[in-house]
Amino acid sequence: DTEVTQTPKHLVMGMTNKKSLKCEQHMGHRAMYWYKQKAKKPPELMFVYSYEKLSINESVPSRFSPECPNSSLLNLHLHALQPEDSALYLCASSRQGQMNTEAFFGQGTRLTVV
Amino acid sequence: KQEVTQIPAALSVPEGENLVLNCSFTDSAIYNLQWFRQDPGKGLTSLLLIQSSQREQTSGRLNASLDKSSGRSTLYIAASQPGDSATYLCAVSRSGTASKLTFGTGTRLQVTL
Repeated sequence: DTEVTQTPKHLVMGMTNKKSLKCEQHMGHRAMYWYKQKAKKPPELMFVYSYEKLSINESVPSRFSPECPNSSLLNLHLHALQPEDSALYLCASSRQGQMNTEAFFGQGTRLTVV
Repeated sequence: KQEVTQIPAALSVPEGENLVLNCSFTDSAIYNLQWFRQDPGKGLTSLLLIQSSQREQTSGRLNASLDKSSGRSTLYIAASQPGDSATYLCAVSRSGTASKLTFGTGTRLQVTL
């Protein structure tokens, strides 16, 4: 099983809403990531979790709040977003360590902020 | 700062043709390089992973090469099919931070009947 599952697939939210994106993997991977992809652009790294601890935050605004409740789950909590935050949000996972760090991605959540 | 460029940005070929996609990166201190495929509005599908110590990886009709010293990788697709139409992205991870991928600008491939 090389699947990373993201829910929901689509999300429309207002600028005053609070919502969460969810990501799940059962490959035993201990590194999990959030990427943001704008239209016709490559994905850009937002956060990295290693062994359930935040290891990289790419200077992401605080209106995005990641959470890793256990080794299989990764959440991204959204609050007071702006229309320019509309994008495809991708979750990924990989084995931790220096061997075979192939990254596997989910299908993404298409977020629209209105 | 690592910069990853892919040429061409778009490519249209007739079915059955062999083709090469190019990826170049500015910092040769990479840990590995990964090729992905992305269908419109979808996530990324991993195609091939090349460790920095390797020169080549093959999977079916796909062959990826890596020349770390010159900062280049190529993805060779043999006998292209309409189902190969997608955007192809290369991504490099930096030594010491194997978990952080920097993506290229992508090549949008269309294979026509």
